[in-house]
Parts: sequence; C-alpha cells; structure tokens
Amino acid sequence: GAVVSQHPSRVICKSGTSVKIECRSLDFQATTMFWYRQFPKQSLMLMATSNEGSKATYEQGVEKDKFLINHASLTLSTLTVTSAHPEDSSFYICSASTRRGNQPQHFGDGTRLSIL
Amino acid sequence: GENVEQHPSTLSVQEGDSAVIKCTYSDSASNYFPWYKQELGKGPQLIIDIRSNVGEKKDQRIAVTLNKTAKHFSLHITETQPEDSAVYFCAASFKAAGNKLTFGGGTRVLVKP
Repeated sequence: GAVVSQHPSRVICKSGTSVKIECRSLDFQATTMFWYRQFPKQSLMLMATSNEGSKATYEQGVEKDKFLINHASLTLSTLTVTSAHPEDSSFYICSASTRRGNQPQHFGDGTRLSIL
Repeated sequence: GENVEQHPSTLSVQEGDSAVIKCTYSDSASNYFPWYKQELGKGPQLIIDIRSNVGEKKDQRIAVTLNKTAKHFSLHITETQPEDSAVYFCAASFKAAGNKLTFGGGTRVLVKP
C-alpha cells in the first residue's frame, strides 16, 4: 500500500517551454501532497504544500507564478513549471500521506527535468 | 524554522560491519523523525521512523534512537550488505508546522564487499 506515482519520469525540453508533472496516490486518498526539489548530491528542499480543493502553500523564496500547483482531486496533484529555463533543471519529487497528520510521507520516484 | 544537521556526509564500511548516522535538530517542538533511503535516480523510501514519545525503535537490521534532551537521533544499520549502499536522509517535523519535513543533508553510504 501507500504507492505514489509520478509522471513523467524524465523530461527534456527547450527553454521557454512549460512542463507539467503529475503526482498520483494510487491506493489511497491524499488531502495533502508535498512538492520537493532536489539538486544533484543535495538534500530535498520543500517547495510547496498542495491542498486538495484549495490554494497551495509555498515556501519562502519559491515563486508561485513560476511553479503552478493544482490539486483538483484526492488522488492527483500537478506541478507546472512555467516558461522553464536552464536554472529550473532539477529533480522534482512529490510525496503524500495516508493519514490526515501527514505522517509518514511516501514519495514518488521523481521527475528529472532538463531544460536546454 | 527547524534546522537538521546530519553527519557524516559519506560513510564507507566493510560488508558485515555496522553503520551509524547521526542527526541533530534545532526545534524542541519537533516530534516525528523519519529516515529515508534514496537510491540513484529514485525517490526516497521510508525505512524507519520514530516519534518523540519513544526512545528507540528497531526493525530487523535497522534501529533508530532518539534523545529529546540533546535533540539528536541516530540510525544504526547492523550486518551491512552491499544493497544497503545508498544515500540516507534523516528528517524532522512537528504538527504546528503542518508536519512538513525538514531534511538533513544526507549521508552517502558505501558498503564494500
């Protein structure tokens, strides 16, 4: 149980393109999902908390207009990187919890985004 | 906000030996401490967690200890195997912060056969 699926696993696109990443909880409902960013050989940094049916909560320094989050159902959250540039290249990972208290969190296998 | 420090950043052990990773946290309100294992190109996988009302927890070859007074917790892996080679992350969270996880910097563990 507690499987989180991310799609796509890898994206390579040109600068200026907008890219959508999907995060699905396959066998449970998640009112809250989290989006992280991880640079090579570094730790995970929380970008935002995605809340079903309401606006996402962004961490300090994360541009909400750049990283659009939509959590339209209890099993799906999407992250759209708008007008992506090379500096947006990173590993994006989502997580979700089966419990209202958000513990423990289960992670997807990430999306590697490469902007040329 | 919470700050989590993790040591060492790299750890090389001989197969069969034990590995210990230590983390410290700054916010005494933190009450949940998970450990994740991340393999190359994959997302983190939860391997064990501990809550603040418990001092120690064990699951087969893996154990975690928590010292609330000193605000540090440790991961112990016994009888290490080559498949234990990965990056390990500790994290801390507390309810008032929406149970958001703050991660340590990670430890790259290499188990040599």
